[in-house]
Amino acid sequence: DIQMTQSPSSLSASVGDRVTITCRASRSISSYLNWYQQRPGKAPKLLIYAAFTLQSGVPSRFSGSGSGTDFTLTISSLQPEDFATYYCHQSYSPPFTFGPGTKVDI
Amino acid sequence: QVQLQESGPGLVKPSETLSLTCTVSGGSISGYYWNWIRQPPRKGLEWIGYIYYYGNTNYNPSLKSRVTISLDTSKNQFSLNLSSVTAADTAVYYCARLEGPDNVGPFDPWGQGTLITVSS
Repeated sequence: DIQMTQSPSSLSASVGDRVTITCRASRSISSYLNWYQQRPGKAPKLLIYAAFTLQSGVPSRFSGSGSGTDFTLTISSLQPEDFATYYCHQSYSPPFTFGPGTKVDI
Repeated sequence: QVQLQESGPGLVKPSETLSLTCTVSGGSISGYYWNWIRQPPRKGLEWIGYIYYYGNTNYNPSLKSRVTISLDTSKNQFSLNLSSVTAADTAVYYCARLEGPDNVGPFDPWGQGTLITVSS
């Protein structure tokens, strides 16, 4: 199985801050990396797929980068509605696996 | 716009079989992989498995001996059976779509999720 790690596990930030979350795969997954946002009590919502492609309707303050084993999700200017937990997910090879999540507190 | 909705019993007794159904509305079953994913309370996400619209399945090895995913194209539904459940199977269960023919895309959309509690 491909193991996914994320850092940090949690962070506190202020509105307007630039936030960066890192995801690492235990072996190369090319660009088959996706990012989700999960608000409390809700299903995960797709933000970015294929490492850097913004899902339709997602604000442009979200961006993704990376390939191989190291990936980054960046929120350029944090908004109050961005309080959530963020998960990375590898779709390179089953069993598909997720990172443990990064909780963003505003 | 495709929407997914899970349905199930809410409470299952230990050692019994958990059965859930996901109904797909606003689109066809054809051309996609249909997935089950779960999330124990206050924990992360675990992929359970998928069924392709042709009927091919792929299960997480950690659950493979207990999992069956099936498809009913006439009803635009797919189902999950998880046998011999224990308290460790208590979780919110989500269904989600993955675009074919290559199973390398993201999960989108997701159902709203349904909480299944295993308790006597």
